[in-house]
Amino acid sequence: AQKITQTQPGMFVQEKEAVTLDCTYDTSDQSYGLFWYKQPSSGEMIFLIYQGSYDEQNATEGRYSLNFQKARKSANLVISASQLGDSAMYFCAMREAKVKAAGNKLTFGGGTRVLVKP
Amino acid sequence: NAGVTQTPKFRVLKTGQSMTLLCAQDMNHEYMYWYRQDPGMGLRLIHYSVGEGTTAKGEVPDGYNVSRLKKQNFLLGLESAAPSQTSVYFCASSTGLKETQYFGPGTRLLVL
Repeated sequence: AQKITQTQPGMFVQEKEAVTLDCTYDTSDQSYGLFWYKQPSSGEMIFLIYQGSYDEQNATEGRYSLNFQKARKSANLVISASQLGDSAMYFCAMREAKVKAAGNKLTFGGGTRVLVKP
Repeated sequence: NAGVTQTPKFRVLKTGQSMTLLCAQDMNHEYMYWYRQDPGMGLRLIHYSVGEGTTAKGEVPDGYNVSRLKKQNFLLGLESAAPSQTSVYFCASSTGLKETQYFGPGTRLLVL
């Protein structure tokens, strides 16, 4: 069963507008972590933002915020005031039970490609 | 700090050849990971290590071996390359205490 689902394969957004990228997850653990990574055309994976399952506040990092709805098992990324440099693939990922032997492994979704139009 | 580095950046192999990909990190991280990324897909975990001398299988370990003889290095080996192993390979590391994984620049491997 797919643990991380990103239903939007691609999106266009106008420069300076906000965009929301959807991510839903499936886990039976009570303690887990959710991550978003950006992959520009150059190929590197850039960490953007993290949300722990017990965090009461939605995470924010500059123009990035994570809309965490625990009951719905969703962790949507919101990018405000889009810039041309935001054009990239975006991946949602989840870390399940935090046990050392389990290695804090991440499971990734299939990604959403964002293209910012000038 | 160089962060996470990977060698080589690009390699072409013939079916049946072997090779080793090297990952090095200078952040004193305990945990290290090898992923593969196929076109249009997310990353899938091949193997990981929670400390020097330890390794474990991830989601897609078949056809790969790994070793972590030194804390800062994590090697990924392909004993007999197959075209299905054509992919981009990413190494990552993390402290284990903080969960964020930091990625290397990737190695593009083409198996003919």
